[in-house]
Amino acid sequence: KQEVTQIPAALSVPEGENLVLNCSFTDSAIYNLQWFRQDPGKGLTSLLLIQSSQREQTSGRLNASLDKSSGRSTLYIAASQPGDSATYLCAVVQGGSEKLVFGKGMKLTVNP
Amino acid sequence: ETGVTQTPRHLVMGMTNKKSLKCEQHLGHNAMYWYKQSAKKPLELMFVYNFKEQTENNSVPSRFSPECPNSSHLFLHLHTLQPEDSALYLCASRPAGGLTDTQYFGPGTRLTVL
Repeated sequence: KQEVTQIPAALSVPEGENLVLNCSFTDSAIYNLQWFRQDPGKGLTSLLLIQSSQREQTSGRLNASLDKSSGRSTLYIAASQPGDSATYLCAVVQGGSEKLVFGKGMKLTVNP
Repeated sequence: ETGVTQTPRHLVMGMTNKKSLKCEQHLGHNAMYWYKQSAKKPLELMFVYNFKEQTENNSVPSRFSPECPNSSHLFLHLHTLQPEDSALYLCASRPAGGLTDTQYFGPGTRLTVL
């Protein structure tokens, strides 16, 4: 059974820091891995999607990498801003299924 | 805005009530999903519909009854719920067959069962 882990559960940093968010998964047979952002009381917004054949994806200040063989992904946020404060969730689409399996998320607070 | 809307946004119900959650998408997608997000637990998939047909039921109790009358609308009918069913219920959609595509999520319905 696929399990997705995000550690730590929460992180508080001053504005301007470069951040690394970690995600690990137990079964490497995935179609893709996605990073989402969730603001309080709201739904999820997709940030980056990495196909199983890809190593990384970039969007603005965000860069996500995927190492399928080791079951790890990293979301890098450059020059963090207070507006980046949210919960970040990592999820994988399991091979042979439509199921998105989520981690519990990491709550990020960027202080001005 | 993601193009996926959910109503109501908040719902309080007693254990003997019957209520329904509604999801609507205007993205032309043919796959729709219900998820449950409880405090301190990962988001859990409940149901998947492809072209109005249910293709996945993730061992959800029968007190939750989904309905998909067309590709744009998805309902979740609730009856005789328990307090532990209190959670944020999220709807999502995706182009059918596009496992490589992301899912688009609605804002959710915050459900409280008294």
